[in-house]
Amino acid sequence: GQQLNQSPQSMFIQEGEDVSMNCTSSSIFNTWLWYKQDPGEGPVLLIALYKAGELTSNGRLTAQFGTTRKDSFLNISASIPSDVGIYFCAGIMIKAAGNKLTFGGGTRVLVKP
Amino acid sequence: AAGVIQSPRHLIKEKRETATLKCYPIPRHDTVYWYQQGPGQDPQFLISFYEKMQSDKGSIPDRFSAQQFSDYHSELNMSSLELGDSALYFCASSLGTPRETQYFGPGTRLLVL
Repeated sequence: GQQLNQSPQSMFIQEGEDVSMNCTSSSIFNTWLWYKQDPGEGPVLLIALYKAGELTSNGRLTAQFGTTRKDSFLNISASIPSDVGIYFCAGIMIKAAGNKLTFGGGTRVLVKP
Repeated sequence: AAGVIQSPRHLIKEKRETATLKCYPIPRHDTVYWYQQGPGQDPQFLISFYEKMQSDKGSIPDRFSAQQFSDYHSELNMSSLELGDSALYFCASSLGTPRETQYFGPGTRLLVL
């Protein structure tokens, strides 16, 4: 079953607004990644976080690796129409064999009508 | 920069047929991951390979098999296809070191009729 709880499931944005989404888990992750996926396309990496407490920015995007290693958030500032899409958080639990990604359920970002 | 290449991009098969999906990782990446994404779902890990050896196995049906070749490309072989196998199949690649970021290909959309 899904180990990452991502919220909100969907949100409407108006151009210029700031947007926030987060992921929480009962398990500890060693790496948090945030991806954006457009319909029918592959997930595109936005930000990678490798250290608890780490705060990283990529243009208008800012993400943080929670200090408990069980959560992460993504902020988008001054949203623009091309920010529409599905955002996924993904975590990696380091183990001896394999570094598979566990995905959150996604946050669908839509434009306010 | 070179990205992950997947072929074919679209595939239509009948029930009980077989399908082979191909993945060419980013140059110098030695680890390949396969994910399956159903409609409205998050990607689910199937299987991964590191240096041509299977490194981890997820929810991959016994009807599916995969391998990584000497040039690091990978193929996912799917037999006795079922309607429920219709999905987007993504390949991702990374360097084999722990916590290294995974980059996704554009995906293969498989439709089983």
